[in-house]
Amino acid sequence: QKEVEQNSGPLSVPEGAIASLNCTYSDRGSQSFFWYRQYSGKSPELIMFIYSNGDKEDGRFTAQLNKASQYVSLLIRDSQPSDSATYLCAVMGRDDKIIFGKGTRLHILP
Amino acid sequence: EAQVTQNPRYLITVTGKKLTVTCSQNMNHEYMSWYRQDPGLGLRQIYYSMNVEVTDKGDVPEGYKVSRKEKRNFPLILESPSPNQTSLYFCASSLFPRGETQYFGPGTRLLVL
Repeated sequence: QKEVEQNSGPLSVPEGAIASLNCTYSDRGSQSFFWYRQYSGKSPELIMFIYSNGDKEDGRFTAQLNKASQYVSLLIRDSQPSDSATYLCAVMGRDDKIIFGKGTRLHILP
Repeated sequence: EAQVTQNPRYLITVTGKKLTVTCSQNMNHEYMSWYRQDPGLGLRQIYYSMNVEVTDKGDVPEGYKVSRKEKRNFPLILESPSPNQTSLYFCASSLFPRGETQYFGPGTRLLVL
C-alpha cells in the first residue's frame, strides 16, 4: 500500500518566522509532488508542485524534493496569520493515482 | 470564470437509495478525479479519469461508480449508499495530471442514514 506520511501537528510558529512542513512517501516510482493548503470548511488549493530534485521557490514558499530519501518539504518564510491552515502533501505515482497525506495543521501565532 | 461545480452541496439520504453527485468543469481539462475526505483519514482518491471514456480506480473505489461520457462532466454514482459512505466529497480537474494545478470543486457533504 502506497503511503504518504505527514506529522499531524498542530505546528505552532510565531508570526514572521519560517514554518517547515515535512512529508515522506513510500513509492519510489512517484513522479510529481504537490502541496495544498486547506482552510477549515474549504476546498484544497494548490500552493506548489515539484517533480525534480532540489528546491523550487514561489514567493514566500519553497518546496524541496529529495527523491533518494523519499522526502518532500515546504518552507513558508515570513509566516503570516493567514497562513494558518492545514497543509496537505500529495504524491502522484506512475499510474497517475494521487495519494494525499493526512495533513499538517499549521498555526501562526500573532 | 474558470471553475469546478458540484451538485448538490449537501445531501441527506437513506441506506440503499441510489444517488448521483454531479461534477462539471468549464476549463476543457482532461484529468478529473473524485475524492472523499474523512476526519483522521485525509483525502482519498475514489476514481479518476484521464479523458473521455477512460476511468480508473483510485484508492477507495468500492461502492462507487463513475462515468466520463463528456469531457466536462464526471458524475459520481452511489448505487446503494451505506452509512460508511457518509463523508465530504470533492471533485477536481486539471489540464494534465502531472505538474498541473488541480482545481477542486466546493465539496458535497453527504449523510447516509
